Parts: sequence; structure tokens; C-alpha cells
Amino acid sequence: EVQLVESGGGLVKPGGSLRLSCAASGFTFSSYSINWVRQAPGKGLEWVSSISGGSSYIWYSDSVKGRFTISRDNAKNSLYLQMNNLRAEDTAMFYCARSVDMTTYYFDYWGQGTLVTVSS
Amino acid sequence: EIVLTQSPATLSLSPGEGATLSCRASQSVSSYLAWYQQKPGQAPRLLIYDASSGATGIPARFSGSGSGTDFTLTISSLEPEDFAVYYCQQRYNWPLTFGGGTKVEI
Repeated sequence: EVQLVESGGGLVKPGGSLRLSCAASGFTFSSYSINWVRQAPGKGLEWVSSISGGSSYIWYSDSVKGRFTISRDNAKNSLYLQMNNLRAEDTAMFYCARSVDMTTYYFDYWGQGTLVTVSS
Repeated sequence: EIVLTQSPATLSLSPGEGATLSCRASQSVSSYLAWYQQKPGQAPRLLIYDASSGATGIPARFSGSGSGTDFTLTISSLEPEDFAVYYCQQRYNWPLTFGGGTKVEI
């Protein structure tokens, strides 16, 4: 069974940092691109970042470029999102989502999310 | 950036009725469009990909159509569990983008 479990969310002050993790199981992790998608409270879905299976290709939304860094450790079946210089508008549920395959960026499996709250 | 506009924002229907949801792209996305369902407190679920292909395990009452800039998600006969928010998403271009969602309510 495919499982994605996020962790690392919490309350952080504006300008602070946080590192999210996503532990994957039930599939060959290195064979899939993985993504972060967020959802502000009561709002819609927003794509954040994607990373290919071998980490050769990485993309970011303009809203997080230069502040967030996506990475993965295929030996540990884990995905990460380092978030720096956090802003109030980054407050959201962050989901880890698997792409359908290495190159097809639809999201077929999702974690339950980890909540990030940026507030003083 | 490709903007996806979903309409209507809210659809009020009864179980057993059919639902037609629209997603319009600001430029052509060919057939590279997906639909997701999200219920309160849950992660989204992939329903349709490449505009008209059903994802694994999705009931046949869900169908998708369209290409270019205009897409439709059709639910042939609403079941109680279908009342949720539906999002479209394009993968034609970076950045990946989602529509604003359509809420299907009782």
C-alpha cells in the first residue's frame, strides 16, 4: 500500500525557518517524481515544488523560489522541504504528493498533510 | 502562468441529479488536465487525468471531456459521498496550476 506521511509542521515566527519531511512507503520511491502542494486555511490548492526521481530536475513556484528548497534521499525513501524566511502568507497545510510517474505531474497519492502556521 | 478558471463556484444539487463542472484555461493545455475531489479534512483524490482518463478505482459515474482550453467534469448521478470540492489542474506548463475549485453541495 502506498503511504506518504508528512511531519515537521508547527508554529513559527515570521522570518523563521522550518523543515518538512515526507516518509514514503509501498512503492519504489526513486522511480517517481514527488511534489509539495499547499492549501491555506479555507482556500484552494497551490502547487509549491517538484523534484524528479534522481533529483536532476527541480521546480518551484514563484511564490517560494529563493526561500524554499526541495530535496530527497532515495536511500531513506524521504522527501524534504526546507523553508526559510517564512511569511504569514505561507500559513497552510502542506501535502506531499506522488506524481503518476517520473514525468507525468498529476498527483495520484497524497499524504494527510502537515500544518505550518506563521505568526508572531 | 496558465490560469484555470472553474465555474460555477458552487453547485447546489440533490442526490441522484447530474452535475456538470467547468474548467477553462487561459491558454491551450492540450489534454494535459486532471480533476481532483477533496472532502473536508481530507487530502485531494485524483479522479480524471489527461482530460478523460479515469484514475484507478474511480466510479464510472465520473467522466471528463474537453481539450485545448475548455474542459468538463460530469457526474452522471450524484451519490451522497460525491458532495465535495472539485479542482482541475494542468501539467502542460510550469508552474503547475490548479483552478479555484467548485463546491458541490446538497
